[in-house]
Amino acid sequence: EVQLVESGGDLVQPGGSLRLSCAASDFTFTAYWMTWVRQAPGKGLEWVATIDYDGSATYYADSVKGRFTISRDNAKNSVFLQMNSLRAEDTAVYYCGRVVPGAGDYWGQGSLVTVSS
Amino acid sequence: DIVVTQTPLSSPVTLGQPASISCRSSQSLVHRDGNTYLSWLHLRPGQPPRLLIDKISNRFSGVPDRFSGSGAGTDFTLKISRVEAEDVGVYYCMQGKQLPWTFGQGTKVEIK
Repeated sequence: EVQLVESGGDLVQPGGSLRLSCAASDFTFTAYWMTWVRQAPGKGLEWVATIDYDGSATYYADSVKGRFTISRDNAKNSVFLQMNSLRAEDTAVYYCGRVVPGAGDYWGQGSLVTVSS
Repeated sequence: DIVVTQTPLSSPVTLGQPASISCRSSQSLVHRDGNTYLSWLHLRPGQPPRLLIDKISNRFSGVPDRFSGSGAGTDFTLKISRVEAEDVGVYYCMQGKQLPWTFGQGTKVEIK
């Protein structure tokens, strides 16, 4: 069974940084693009970033462009989200997902990021 | 960006009765490869998002056949033929034709 396990969520002050990790298992990691979406408290889902098979192409929502960086380590079957210059509006549960054409088919349990002073 | 609009936002249903959710996109979701990239996700508190259906009507592995998707172009529907207790939660449609992926506002399904 495909597994995606996020970690790294925490309480951080505005302007701070955080790095989320997503460990993948039970599938051929290098054969899939990976993505992050988030859900702010009481809000809907928002796509955040996507990365291709080897990290040569990355894509970002306008709301995080220039502040967040998605990356992957294929040797460790992991994808990461480096979040800098965090704002209160970045407070959300962040989900990592496996990308298939036009959709995400498997998702992790989520990692809570709280940006507050 | 493609805007995706879902209705209703709330759907109280009786166990065993049908439920239906509509989703409309601001432009056609037909990709140049011929596929229409509209999917449906189910979220329950404390659980990961679950893909139910992709490409309008393709049920994902393990999804019960009481779930069905239909539609074309810009108008889509998710139907639950007979709602069960485990179906409560929030349902989202999502367009995957182009980045940024965009989601509907979500429909909360609850038992009357």
